[in-house]
Amino acid sequence: EIVLTQSPATLSLSPGERATLSCRASQSVGRYLAWYQQKPGQAPRLLIYDASNRATGIPARFSGSGSGTDFTLTISSLEPEDFAVYYCQQRSNWPRITFGQGTRLEIK
Amino acid sequence: QVQLVESGGGVVQPGRSLRLSCAASGFTFSSFPMHWVRQGPDKGLEWVAVISYDGSNKQYADSVKGRFTISRDNSKNTLSLQMNSLRADDTAVYYCAKDQGMGYYFDHWGQGILVTVSS
Repeated sequence: EIVLTQSPATLSLSPGERATLSCRASQSVGRYLAWYQQKPGQAPRLLIYDASNRATGIPARFSGSGSGTDFTLTISSLEPEDFAVYYCQQRSNWPRITFGQGTRLEIK
Repeated sequence: QVQLVESGGGVVQPGRSLRLSCAASGFTFSSFPMHWVRQGPDKGLEWVAVISYDGSNKQYADSVKGRFTISRDNSKNTLSLQMNSLRADDTAVYYCAKDQGMGYYFDHWGQGILVTVSS
């Protein structure tokens, strides 16, 4: 099983600041990595797929980068609605896909 | 717009069975693989099962293999999950999710349905 480790567990920032979230894989996943956003009481929402492609309707302030084992989700300037939990997910060795444990982005 | 609406959740005793359903609308249901993904209490996300667009191929997480069965009815735009021999660690919110089309990315999710396994 490919383990995805997200860091930090919690990130405290203010609106307007830049957020950088990390996801590290226990072995290479190529570029087969996605990012999701989940707000309390809601289902996850696909933000980024294949490491750097924005999903339909996702604002340009969200960007993804990386390949192999190290990936980053960047939010260029935080809006109030961006405070949520973010998960990474790999599909490299389907069907044994896995998710990271999540990073909570909270308002400072 | 895409809508996925789960039903069938509730409280069930360990060892018993439960069947979840997901009604899909707003897209060509028969063209996409469909998944179930679950989230335990205050836990992260766990993929459960996938079924191909025509129902001919099914895959399961090791944690549910042999106990859960995924199925679909393309004439009714419905996805199902038959859960047998339920255990306490199956307690979770279960989401049905539409495959993006590239395989194992999830671009639309239902609102989720809670399954609680408890005596």
